[in-house]
Amino acid sequence: KAGVTQTPRYLIKTRGQQVTLSCSPISGHRSVSWYQQTPGQGLQFLFEYFSETQRNKGNFPGRFSGRQFSNSRSEMNVSTLELGDSALYLCASSWGGDSYNEQFFGPGTRLTVL
Amino acid sequence: AQTVTQSQPEMSVQEAETVTLSCTYDTSESDYYLFWYKQPPSRQMILVIRQEAYKQQNATENRFSVNFQKAAKSFSLKISDSQLGDAAMYFCAYIPGTYKYIFGTGTRLKVLA
Repeated sequence: KAGVTQTPRYLIKTRGQQVTLSCSPISGHRSVSWYQQTPGQGLQFLFEYFSETQRNKGNFPGRFSGRQFSNSRSEMNVSTLELGDSALYLCASSWGGDSYNEQFFGPGTRLTVL
Repeated sequence: AQTVTQSQPEMSVQEAETVTLSCTYDTSESDYYLFWYKQPPSRQMILVIRQEAYKQQNATENRFSVNFQKAAKSFSLKISDSQLGDAAMYFCAYIPGTYKYIFGTGTRLKVLA
């Protein structure tokens, strides 16, 4: 069974631009979560989607948004990029039936904002 | 606020020795899960071990075991017979049941040959 895939793997943008990251979950998984990982901060929860509905979100500004499609694939968008948005963005999928399902992580998208 | 604290940014262990990584969390919930995830240098996170808060027995997975102290809100990971492949970032995660994982800042484990 294929794992969680994220595209692109690396991205370089400049301040003020916007970016869209994509995540394809494991087949059969209906929940997708997004995290921002930075050195010293660990993983910060962005949001979680299940069957195209956002069930929870973290404490990030409105510039960060996401969505999920009917095939469970998910996208994350960051508008008006800032230098501080440089990070590894991780996507994780799970069956999603309850909160305690194991999450399976993708390799991440490394975003650099210049 | 629900928080997870990993007070050891970095630890080292000799191959074949035992090491314990600490994790504490803050919560007012009575029912929750705790996970330890491993992130090797290749970056893909994998689950190491999980503990249900309602279970008093500590979870064990081969060389990995936990010491879960619910009253103290402590959840440490013990790695026995450490191997070079254990070198990674280890993250403790608290799952309160709201479809949201709360992670600690991680502990980088170095295994010395």
